[in-house]
Amino acid sequence: EPEVTQTPSHQVTQMGQEVILRCVPISNHLYFYWYRQILGQKVEFLVSFYNNEISEKSEIFDDQFSVERPDGSNFTLKIRSTKLEDSAMYFCASSSRDSNQETQYFGPGTRLLVL
Amino acid sequence: GQNIDQPTEMTATEGAIVQINCTYQTSGFNGLFWYQQHAGEAPTFLSYNVLDGLEEKGRFSSFLSRSKGYSYLLLKELQMKDSASYLCAVNSGYSTLTFGKGTMLLVSP
Repeated sequence: EPEVTQTPSHQVTQMGQEVILRCVPISNHLYFYWYRQILGQKVEFLVSFYNNEISEKSEIFDDQFSVERPDGSNFTLKIRSTKLEDSAMYFCASSSRDSNQETQYFGPGTRLLVL
Repeated sequence: GQNIDQPTEMTATEGAIVQINCTYQTSGFNGLFWYQQHAGEAPTFLSYNVLDGLEEKGRFSSFLSRSKGYSYLLLKELQMKDSASYLCAVNSGYSTLTFGKGTMLLVSP
């Protein structure tokens, strides 16, 4: 069964450093998403991406964040200058159509720890 | 704003039936999802409702009443592996899901 994959599974970084989280969505999916979940809290939407551009973003997704689809398979989330409060589990998701019509499937997540 | 409420915790016994409720107030509505999340893992899709009524899928069923802003997830013949957090999520008309805080279900022998 096709699945979303993410790398790395864990990332430890120093405050102020840049990190890139990588995702490979399900191959025939066209819509991509990033969510985060701070430990013990709810899953929060960050950004959605379609046709090589951002469809929607939340207020969490400020200028420190960016997304990119550098090739036909990868979808990345970059945090330019990490802060302590960026420590969270980051989930990538994909769907074959816009999520109001189709299920989003989540990857296993990258646990980011900012020291 | 978006508000999704579900109980924080529930307990049940193996073999029993449990109902997890979710109420929502959102600016729009284009469907409600239930996900299961084991600790430290990704949410996995369980069910989707966009029309009023009951959707059944094996041991899991989900019900929706749009007029009441209410849904429930029904789990039958509970197994120990069903111990997890159950997340109610609403698509409010844009390309995003708004999640509730999740209901932690503990199944005991």
